[in-house]
Amino acid sequence: EPEVTQTPSHQVTQMGQEVILRCVPISNHLYFYWYRQILGQKVEFLVSFYNNEISEKSEIFDDQFSVERPDGSNFTLKIRSTKLEDSAMYFCASRANRYEQYFGPGTRLTVT
Amino acid sequence: AQSVTQLDSHVSVSEGTPVLLRCNYSSSYSPSLFWYVQHPNKGLQLLLKYTSAATLVKGINGFEAEFKKSETSFHLTKPSAHMSDAAEYFCVVSDPRGNEKLTFGTGTRLTIIP
Repeated sequence: EPEVTQTPSHQVTQMGQEVILRCVPISNHLYFYWYRQILGQKVEFLVSFYNNEISEKSEIFDDQFSVERPDGSNFTLKIRSTKLEDSAMYFCASRANRYEQYFGPGTRLTVT
Repeated sequence: AQSVTQLDSHVSVSEGTPVLLRCNYSSSYSPSLFWYVQHPNKGLQLLLKYTSAATLVKGINGFEAEFKKSETSFHLTKPSAHMSDAAEYFCVVSDPRGNEKLTFGTGTRLTIIP
């Protein structure tokens, strides 16, 4: 069964460094998302992406964040200058048409 | 705007007894509703979805949920709990306007007592 994959599973970085989180969505899906879950809190929407552009972003998704689909298979989330409060589990999701989104296993980002 | 309220942060049941996880929603539109499950150190797995068809929705692993518009509820049930059901459960509502971003509840941690 096709699935969403994410790499790395765990990323440790120092404050102020740039990180890139990578996702490979399911191949025939058209809509892509990033969510995050700070430890002990609920899952929050960050950004949605369709037709090679951002379709919606949350207040969390400020100028430090960017997304890209560089090669038609990968979908990346870049954080330009990480802060301690960026420490969280980041989930990528994709969907084909209406309704269900399929989630990857997540990347745990730890900023020290 | 839409939101989801999960009334219990933690539920404990004995193995073999029924499970009830409660969820109430608020939405300005006809909602699509989902339950996702997250096992320890795992990703989010879709259990079931309601998308304006039948109000009683059956999902994987014996779970089901009933959409009750009059009560704005979408409670998750299972007749008989299994040890493998121990996990975090999220009630989720979808924004139907185009990109369908998901709004999650705070989650309910289900513990199964042997």
